[in-house]
Amino acid sequence: DAKTTQPPSMDCAEGRAANLPCNHSTISGNEYVYWYRQIHSQGPQYIIHGLKNNETNEMASLIITEDRKSSTLILPHATLRDTAVYYCIVIPEGSQGNLIFGKGTKLSVKP
Amino acid sequence: DTAVSQTPKYLVTQMGNDKSIKCEQNLGHDTMYWYKQDSKKFLKIMFSYNNKELIINETVPNRFSPKSPDKAHLNLHINSLELGDSAVYFCASSKRGATDTQYFGPGTRLTVL
Repeated sequence: DAKTTQPPSMDCAEGRAANLPCNHSTISGNEYVYWYRQIHSQGPQYIIHGLKNNETNEMASLIITEDRKSSTLILPHATLRDTAVYYCIVIPEGSQGNLIFGKGTKLSVKP
Repeated sequence: DTAVSQTPKYLVTQMGNDKSIKCEQNLGHDTMYWYKQDSKKFLKIMFSYNNKELIINETVPNRFSPKSPDKAHLNLHINSLELGDSAVYFCASSKRGATDTQYFGPGTRLTVL
């Protein structure tokens, strides 16, 4: 079972920031938070990951709370092409295990 | 160039048949995976191969057999297909383990009639 909780759906206006929350209250000290997304009919796509510090790349920013029990993925200027299901996943560092995908959040970006 | 490719994209077949799905990655990665996404859109790991050795088998029926002729290929063979096997199957690869970024293929939609 997924160790994360996400809202099932969210809407965002095109051009505005999309803030996608994720709860991972049972996260362990060596577990990373990963975000992937799946655009309709495509394979999942990596977005970003982090351990403790906030992270930013060309796609998004990841804000992790100080207690690490929750995080927020931020798409700074959402476009229609960002409409997808977004998955928040926790996994131990150096794990030989597997990504456990939950139900994710269906983000709909509207014009 | 496509990083992870799968063939075929669509596969329609009768119950009881045997079929294979091919996967190739040109990223030089050591680990490859097969995932199944059912009609409810749940995405679940089936197999993981690291340097041609199986390292995970998530209680998948033994009708499913992954075959890795070399590090760049991980094919999925399915015997005696059942209606419940209908799903989208995704191949993926990563440099080493699961905490390395996984790159997914476009998926193969399997329909069993």
